[in-house]
Amino acid sequence: DAKTTQPPSMDCAEGRAANLPCNHSTISGNEYVYWYRQIHSQGPQYIIHGLKNNETNEMASLIITEDRKSSTLILPHATLRDTAVYYCIVRVGSGDNQGGKLIFGQGTELSVKP
Amino acid sequence: GAGVSQSPSNKVTEKGKDVELRCDPISGHTALYWYRQSLGQGLEFLIYFQGNSAPDKSGLPSDRFSAERTGGSVSTLTIQRTQQEDSAVYLCASSFRRLAGGQRDTQYFGPGTRLTVL
Repeated sequence: DAKTTQPPSMDCAEGRAANLPCNHSTISGNEYVYWYRQIHSQGPQYIIHGLKNNETNEMASLIITEDRKSSTLILPHATLRDTAVYYCIVRVGSGDNQGGKLIFGQGTELSVKP
Repeated sequence: GAGVSQSPSNKVTEKGKDVELRCDPISGHTALYWYRQSLGQGLEFLIYFQGNSAPDKSGLPSDRFSAERTGGSVSTLTIQRTQQEDSAVYLCASSFRRLAGGQRDTQYFGPGTRLTVL
C-alpha cells in the first residue's frame, strides 16, 4: 500500500503557484519523498525528490517539514500544460533490499484553469 | 538523449492469445521495471530487473505473466492466454541504480503500451 495521502483533486489559476500537499506520517529515516506527474495518455514524468532538505529544480520546489511527516510540491507559475495527476511517493533510497519499486497511490489531479 | 521506448504503442488482441510487449531502456541504465495501469486504477508494480541479479517478480499477478531481459538491455513482457482483465497500459521504466548507495536511481518511464483484450 502507498504510504502517502494526497487530496484527490485541486484547481489552480494559470500563472499562479500550485501548492500540492502530501502526508507521509509513517515515513522512515531512510525514505525519500519523490514526486512524479502523469499527463493524460503519457507515462509518468519525474519531477523532484528529497530526503529532509528543501529542494528546487527547473520544474518545481519541494518543501519537506522538519518532522518529515508531510511535504508540499510547488509549481511556481502553473501553466495549462501542468494539468496532470501528481503522485507523491515514499521510497527507500539506493542500497535497499526492496528493489526500488515505486508504490503509487491515487495522486492529486491538478487542473490548471485559464 | 533517447528516452525509454516501448512497442507497440497499442495492441488489440483476442482473449486467449499470447502477447509480447517490448521495452528499450535508456542506454546505460542498469535497472528496468514494468508497471501496469488499468482503467481508473493507479500504477501497480509488476517486475524489476537489476543487472545480473534474479528479477523481483513479486508484482506479477499470475503465472500467465513473465518477463525477460536479454543482454542487460531490452526487455520483453509476455502475457499468455490473455484475459479481458489484462487490458491496461503497460509501462516500462529504467534507472541507473547502484546497489552500493547514491541517488542516481530515478526511474524514467516510457510512453507505455495500451493493451486491449477483446
